[in-house]
Amino acid sequence: EVQVVGSGGDLVQPGGSLRLSCTVSGLTFSNHWMAWIRQAPGKGLEFVGNINQDESVKNYADSVQGRFTIYRDNAKKSLYLQMDSLRAEDTAVYHCATDVRGGSFEYWGQGAQVTVSS
Amino acid sequence: EIVLTQSPGTLSLSPGERAALSCRASQSVGSSLAWYQHKPGQAPRLLIDGASNRATGIPDRFSGGGSGTDFTLTINSLEPEDFAIYFCQQYRIWRTFGRGTRVEI
Repeated sequence: EVQVVGSGGDLVQPGGSLRLSCTVSGLTFSNHWMAWIRQAPGKGLEFVGNINQDESVKNYADSVQGRFTIYRDNAKKSLYLQMDSLRAEDTAVYHCATDVRGGSFEYWGQGAQVTVSS
Repeated sequence: EIVLTQSPGTLSLSPGERAALSCRASQSVGSSLAWYQHKPGQAPRLLIDGASNRATGIPDRFSGGGSGTDFTLTINSLEPEDFAIYFCQQYRIWRTFGRGTRVEI
């Protein structure tokens, strides 16, 4: 059974930083693209960005470009989202997911709540 | 950006009934469309990929159809565990999601 477990959600002040983590089991992590997807309160889901197997390709939504960084540690079967210069509009539940490259998202984590507020 | 509009917003049905959910794209996405099921507090689950292909382990009461701009997710004979939120996602250009349809009892 594939399990995707996210962690690291918290309350942070505007302008602050936070790192989310996600651990995957039940599949060969190093073979998969991975992605972050978020859902702000009362809004639809938004694709934040993704990363390929060896970190040589990373894509970001315009809304987070230059502020967020996605990286991974294949030995630890873990995915990370470093979020800097956080804004109120970044408040959302953040999901990590396996990324069928250029397509759908096959396995998702349950989500981590990030709240940006003073 | 390709906008996906889902309708209805809420569908009130009973177990055993059939549900038909719509997803309309603002421009053609071909067959580059997926459907997901999401229950509060749980991880979303991929149901349908490529507009009509069931994902691994998905029961055959779930079926997807359509191409271009109009898509449908059909759930035949609703089971109690099917009451959830369903959303569509396109991957023709970048990735965008619909706002979802809530299927409630």
